[in-house]
Amino acid sequence: AQKITQTQPGMFVQEKEAVTLDCTYDTSDPSYGLFWYKQPSSGEMIFLIYQGSYDQQNATEGRYSLNFQKARKSANLVISASQLGDSAMYFCAMREGRAQGAQKLVFGQGTRLTINP
Amino acid sequence: DTEVTQTPKHLVMGMTNKKSLKCEQHMGHRAMYWYKQKAKKPPELMFVYSYEKLSINESVPSRFSPECPNSSLLNLHLHALQPEDSALYLCASSQEEATNTEAFFGQGTRLTVV
Repeated sequence: AQKITQTQPGMFVQEKEAVTLDCTYDTSDPSYGLFWYKQPSSGEMIFLIYQGSYDQQNATEGRYSLNFQKARKSANLVISASQLGDSAMYFCAMREGRAQGAQKLVFGQGTRLTINP
Repeated sequence: DTEVTQTPKHLVMGMTNKKSLKCEQHMGHRAMYWYKQKAKKPPELMFVYSYEKLSINESVPSRFSPECPNSSLLNLHLHALQPEDSALYLCASSQEEATNTEAFFGQGTRLTVV
């Protein structure tokens, strides 16, 4: 069963506008972490922001913020004042808690964001 | 140093060849991962090593053989691959046993099987 859902295959935004990338997730584990990664055409995965299931406040990192709605199981990424360099593939990912050992990091299908000048 | 280094960056190999992908990190992370990513798809987990022991194998075919010689190195040995194995192979590392730590990824190896 798919645990991370990103419903927007592609988005086009004008430079300097804000953009919201959607992510919903499914888990029965009370302890989990949600991550957003950016993947430029070069291929590397760049960590952007993290939200823990027990965090009371929405995470923010510079121009990135995470709109965490736990009851709706959504963790949308908001990019303010978009820049041309923000054009890339964006992945939402989840790690579930386990009693021992390394946990899996599972990715959504991704959203390709294009910033137009 | 928050870098994960993968070599080579590009690799072309025949179906009868044996080759290895290498991954190195010096962040003291005790969990290391191999992911496979096909074009326009998300990364798919292949293997997880925890404290140098194989922790998770996502039912990967035996033509892919992982190895963790020490806490800083992770190899992926390739033998008798098929053209459909052509993909971007990503290595990652993270602190162990914590949901709140991000995984750091390398730039990947773009593998083409001919």
